[in-house]
Amino acid sequence: DVKVTQSSRYLVKRTGEKVFLECVQDMDHENMFWYRQDPGLGLRLIYFSYDVKMKEKGDIPEGYSVSREKKERFSLILESASTNQTSMYLCASTPTYSVPAYNEQFFGPGTRLTVL
Amino acid sequence: AQSVAQPEDQVNVAEGNPLTVKCTYSVSGNPYLFWYVQYPNRGLQFLLKYITGDNLVKGSYGFEAEFNKSQTSFHLKKPSALVSDSALYFCAVRDHYNTNAGKSTFGDGTTLTVKP
Repeated sequence: DVKVTQSSRYLVKRTGEKVFLECVQDMDHENMFWYRQDPGLGLRLIYFSYDVKMKEKGDIPEGYSVSREKKERFSLILESASTNQTSMYLCASTPTYSVPAYNEQFFGPGTRLTVL
Repeated sequence: AQSVAQPEDQVNVAEGNPLTVKCTYSVSGNPYLFWYVQYPNRGLQFLLKYITGDNLVKGSYGFEAEFNKSQTSFHLKKPSALVSDSALYFCAVRDHYNTNAGKSTFGDGTTLTVKP
């Protein structure tokens, strides 16, 4: 069974802390994504990566950075957490076989981050 | 640019009745359309997709969706709703030209409530 796992389901951090959210997929997918989900705003893309060490900004990259040192792992980093980054964070992956646009995304269970 | 709209924040139906969750899209080229479902405190799960071919697409859990090019719509349907279908539903679109890593644009989500 395919699987995307995220390091924490719930996380509480203080303003100014550096926060790491980890995502691992076991499907050998080339493409990985980080979204944040807020009520009434749907899913907004923060960053994505289509290969190891490659990354591209999504729609809301400010205040975030990412790291992809290995194919299976994609990390989201909040350099200095702020209260407006309190949200649900979802990781996803998708393969590149055939045409990438044809393939659905596989999501992790999410990390609910609270910044106090 | 690609965009998707889910015009209803909430849909309420009685168990056993048919359900429809609406989605309209805007893309430059040919659209690739997806529906996902999110149960409470879980990540998104893929339901079905339209890539090409038959306008009526069948997916998981008895759901289907109809692609209508002239109305730029991709409404999700089920002939007979179950209480267990109660969840948050997301429509997503990709443009044929936006094949980089399979980046999608998601709607804001529609909460479906099925009452016994």
